[in-house]
Amino acid sequence: DGGITQSPKYLFRKEGQNVTLSCEQNLNHDAMYWYRQDPGQGLRLIYYSQIVNDFQKGDIAEGYSVSREKKESFPLTVTSAQKNPTAFYLCASSSPSSTDTQYFGPGTRLTVL
Amino acid sequence: QKEVEQDPGPLSVPEGAIVSLNCTYSNSAFQYFMWYRQYSRKGPELLMYTYSSGNKEDGRFTAQVDKSSKYISLFIRDSQPSDSATYLCAAYTSGTYKYIFGTGTRLKVLA
Repeated sequence: DGGITQSPKYLFRKEGQNVTLSCEQNLNHDAMYWYRQDPGQGLRLIYYSQIVNDFQKGDIAEGYSVSREKKESFPLTVTSAQKNPTAFYLCASSSPSSTDTQYFGPGTRLTVL
Repeated sequence: QKEVEQDPGPLSVPEGAIVSLNCTYSNSAFQYFMWYRQYSRKGPELLMYTYSSGNKEDGRFTAQVDKSSKYISLFIRDSQPSDSATYLCAAYTSGTYKYIFGTGTRLKVLA
């Protein structure tokens, strides 16, 4: 089955720690995205990548970092510099060959203890 | 002003009702419009997408875009309790890699 997988489903972090959220897709999509979702605020774009080895900051990139070494993978690191990291994180992908439609993974819930 | 505005609800309807969910947008450059359904603690699931103006129907769901009034609608016929979820609208301009989402409308269909 084609789709996007995210792991882990739930993640707990102590203050001062960096954590990495995994995102893998087998849709052969070129573009991948990371969003943060907080209650009542909708989806906010953290980073996006159009192609391998290239990525751009979104609207709320401070305290986050990404890499895109493979087409299928786009991991997100939440650093200790992110002041309020507790949120639901969503990975997505899209491709012009699929009408630019964006598909989402199941999400990772990050909680800072 | 947000580029895509959506009433957060909640919207409660009886089972079998026709549901109308709506968004407005401000950027006339948007070309693609999408509706997603999101259950609690799950990722958004793509329901419908339309390009430019017009209607698109898929089973009980109809998506409608009116570019002259910058209005996006999703209609759900014969609503079911399993339709209870948050519905997100989104708009996109090709080549920008920026999808703009509404904040979502929470729908509850009562059995």
